[in-house]
Amino acid sequence: NAGVTQTPKFQVLKTGQSMTLQCAQDMNHEYMSWYRQDPGMGLRLIHYSVGAGITDQGEVPNGYNVSRSTTEDFPLRLLSAAPSQTSVYFCASRGQASNQPQHFGDGTRLSIL
Amino acid sequence: GQSLEQPSEVTAVEGAIVQINCTYQTSGFYGLSWYQQHDGGAPTFLSYNALDGLEETGRFSSFLSRSDSYGYLLLQELQMKDSASYFCAVSPYSGAGSYQLTFGKGTKLSVIP
Repeated sequence: NAGVTQTPKFQVLKTGQSMTLQCAQDMNHEYMSWYRQDPGMGLRLIHYSVGAGITDQGEVPNGYNVSRSTTEDFPLRLLSAAPSQTSVYFCASRGQASNQPQHFGDGTRLSIL
Repeated sequence: GQSLEQPSEVTAVEGAIVQINCTYQTSGFYGLSWYQQHDGGAPTFLSYNALDGLEETGRFSSFLSRSDSYGYLLLQELQMKDSASYFCAVSPYSGAGSYQLTFGKGTKLSVIP
């Protein structure tokens, strides 16, 4: 059981480049989300989805787009990378019951030069 | 909005007991969760309190008091492998509701021999 799979694990971009961080889960979870983690800041919610075709903004959505065409996949797109987007990005998924834990992927470490 | 406060660092001796506190300001939430994160790793779920009181899972216990806006994580019989960051998180009534997590900034626990 793979759980939540994120690719790539590491990426270096130049300012202004675009890229897509991939996230896939095989647990048939309706809820998926993207967080960024910066030193001393904890995890902050970027975007989330409560099902295929439904997405919404979290706490820090600027500069990022998401889509949810299938239950399994929830890619995060950086439109025009900026140094402020250097961070570790985590994708997570969760089942329906409120006491269910969120399952996190291993993260993507992104550096913007 | 929501805000959660945790101590930034705690040091404890192997075999001892340590308590990590979490105080919060939120307009309402479904439950309080705790996650563990080792350096370079993904957050992993430890416990969830929907109701006031103590939840016990092996060496770890978690407590919630809604009237005091306070919770804690208690780690007993500390082991070196418990050295990690610990995050409290709430699922607020707003946004994605019970699906969404708002995290504290984390407490870095160092276990010393």
